[in-house]
Amino acid sequence: SQQGEEDPQALSIQEGENATMNCSYKTSINNLQWYRQNSGRGLVHLILIRSNEREKHSGRLRVTLDTSKKSSSLLITASRAADTASYFCATANNQAGTALIFGKGTTLSVSS
Amino acid sequence: GAVVSQHPSRVICKSGTSVKIECRSLDFQATTMFWYRQFPKQSLMLMATSNEGSKATYEQGVEKDKFLINHASLTLSTLTVTSAHPEDSSFYICSARQSERGGHGYTFGSGTRLTVV
Repeated sequence: SQQGEEDPQALSIQEGENATMNCSYKTSINNLQWYRQNSGRGLVHLILIRSNEREKHSGRLRVTLDTSKKSSSLLITASRAADTASYFCATANNQAGTALIFGKGTTLSVSS
Repeated sequence: GAVVSQHPSRVICKSGTSVKIECRSLDFQATTMFWYRQFPKQSLMLMATSNEGSKATYEQGVEKDKFLINHASLTLSTLTVTSAHPEDSSFYICSARQSERGGHGYTFGSGTRLTVV
């Protein structure tokens, strides 16, 4: 099962530009997380935002959460070629023992 | 931090054979583990939830007789792909749930690339 859509599906930018990815979900959540995946590799956890938070920062990352719209955005500022990867949002509901459900992901390509 | 070890990282097998993938939590006990499958250029799809000492819970559309899950201990869950076919070729990733104290709660293995020829 998947929570919902992420847009854009693919994003190509130049180094130094900002990249914004959006994620929508369907059910009530306890928190929302963003992960990064380099091609053919495992997942790297980026940031977690709880349902009672509206914005969170971590280095060049900024995440927002709008529970009324069931949406989140991930902003990567001053992008680098090394940011090239796929980015996924994932949500967990309030029940113990439930899995993370992933969005469809955005493939980001940063060219130098 | 919490570590989940997944083996093998890559495996090639012939059609009709079975392949076992192991997922171990190295420094914590995981009563619940999760198995995902990821096709090329797609997202992670939850296959099943593995509970220690009980039967796994499979997502709709996932054949439990084809994807056998065993969670015999608090640190080990295995996924066996039985009678593998080329369409089972995919990237399989496990995840373990830990306490959310000080962390995001979920730790992922590094994945297994299965190729069935």
